[in-house]
Amino acid sequence: NAGVTQTPKFQVLKTGQSMTLQCAQDMNHEYMSWYRQDPGMGLRLIHYSVGAGITDQGEVPNGYNVSRSTTEDFPLRLLSAAPSQTSVYFCASSLTGTGGEAFFGQGTRLTVV
Amino acid sequence: AQKITQTQPGMFVQEKEAVTLDCTYDTSDQSYGLFWYKQPSSGEMIFLIYQGSYDEQNATEGRYSLNFQKARKSANLVISASQLGDSAMYFCAMREGVSGTYKYIFGTGTRLKVLA
Repeated sequence: NAGVTQTPKFQVLKTGQSMTLQCAQDMNHEYMSWYRQDPGMGLRLIHYSVGAGITDQGEVPNGYNVSRSTTEDFPLRLLSAAPSQTSVYFCASSLTGTGGEAFFGQGTRLTVV
Repeated sequence: AQKITQTQPGMFVQEKEAVTLDCTYDTSDQSYGLFWYKQPSSGEMIFLIYQGSYDEQNATEGRYSLNFQKARKSANLVISASQLGDSAMYFCAMREGVSGTYKYIFGTGTRLKVLA
């Protein structure tokens, strides 16, 4: 029972580098989302998707891209890393509707130097 | 405007006592869901309890209960008989259905410390 698999767990980037955080779920969930967690600010929504081929911006989308070519995968791309993107990133999936609990990946601790 | 407000950055409670973590929300939608998650120091997010906007009874899950006051737009988490393992960060969250996107919005969290 894999649930939501998020990789890598830790990453250090230099300013200006790009990278992709991977997220995969095996629960056939339509809804997937990416959050960043910063001290004192809770979890802020970066991007989300309600199904394959459909993505939308959340609260803090600048500097990040997403795509959803399959139901299972929802990668997050950092286009040109900046120190302000140092954070812990979580991927989550759930059924659509107001009652679906979110299943989270283990998180990625990203440091941009 | 904040959709989810948690006004207590930190709380202390004595072991075996009950504690209430506050959460207020803002929505004009009639259909929505309210959730609480626990994040221990290890970092994973653990689902605790869910309350639907049409549910008339307060949700309960073991030692967790959700005190749902719809008119006041509050969804406080009550933990009874606190244990040392309850020390963690707690997040309140909401899903609205108005746009059909069912976005998950989280509050800023409350850090709970249980004292022996």
